[in-house]
Amino acid sequence: DIQMTQSPSSLSASVGDRVTITCRASQSISTYLNWYQQKPGKVPKLLIYDASKSQSGVPPKFSGSGSGTHFTLAIASLQPEDFATYYCQQSATTPYTFGQGTKLEIK
Amino acid sequence: QIQLQESGPGLVKPSQTLSLTCTVSGGSITSGGYYWSWIRQSPGKGLEWLGNIWRSGSKNYNPSLKSRLGMSRDTSQNQFSLKLSSVSVADTAMYYCVRDRDGDNAFDIWGQGTMVTVSS
Repeated sequence: DIQMTQSPSSLSASVGDRVTITCRASQSISTYLNWYQQKPGKVPKLLIYDASKSQSGVPPKFSGSGSGTHFTLAIASLQPEDFATYYCQQSATTPYTFGQGTKLEIK
Repeated sequence: QIQLQESGPGLVKPSQTLSLTCTVSGGSITSGGYYWSWIRQSPGKGLEWLGNIWRSGSKNYNPSLKSRLGMSRDTSQNQFSLKLSSVSVADTAMYYCVRDRDGDNAFDIWGQGTMVTVSS
């Protein structure tokens, strides 16, 4: 299985900040990398697919980049509704696997 | 607007079989371009993809569960189902049915999830 490792596991930031979350794959996955946001008690929501493409309806403050084994999710101008847990997921080969999550908290 | 809804018992005894059904509304599970997946989430193991089923009925399973896992579909009811046998406490989780896009295999539409507890 391809292992996905996110860093950091948790992150404190202030409203208005820009943050980045990193996801590394244990082997090359080209750009088969997706990002999700999950708020407490809610269902995960697809933000970014194919490493850098925005899902319909997702604001441009969320951006993804990377290829191969190293990927990043950037979130600009943090608002209170952005504080959540973010997951990466590889879709290069089955079994599809997720990172352990990055919890973004208000400082 | 396509919607997915899980149904099934919330409590299963150890060693028994967990059975869940996902009812899809607003779209057909036989339409092109999508797989239909099951994903579970537990505090201990995070998000775990269990498997998917294609419109043709072909399936992919997570090898870690393959010996215990079965998936099927009922096109007349627009439903797909999961059976997990010989469950243990480790199978306690929130179970989601999810639409899985062919090509990028991104999970774009999720059911609300159903919590399954394995306990005697």
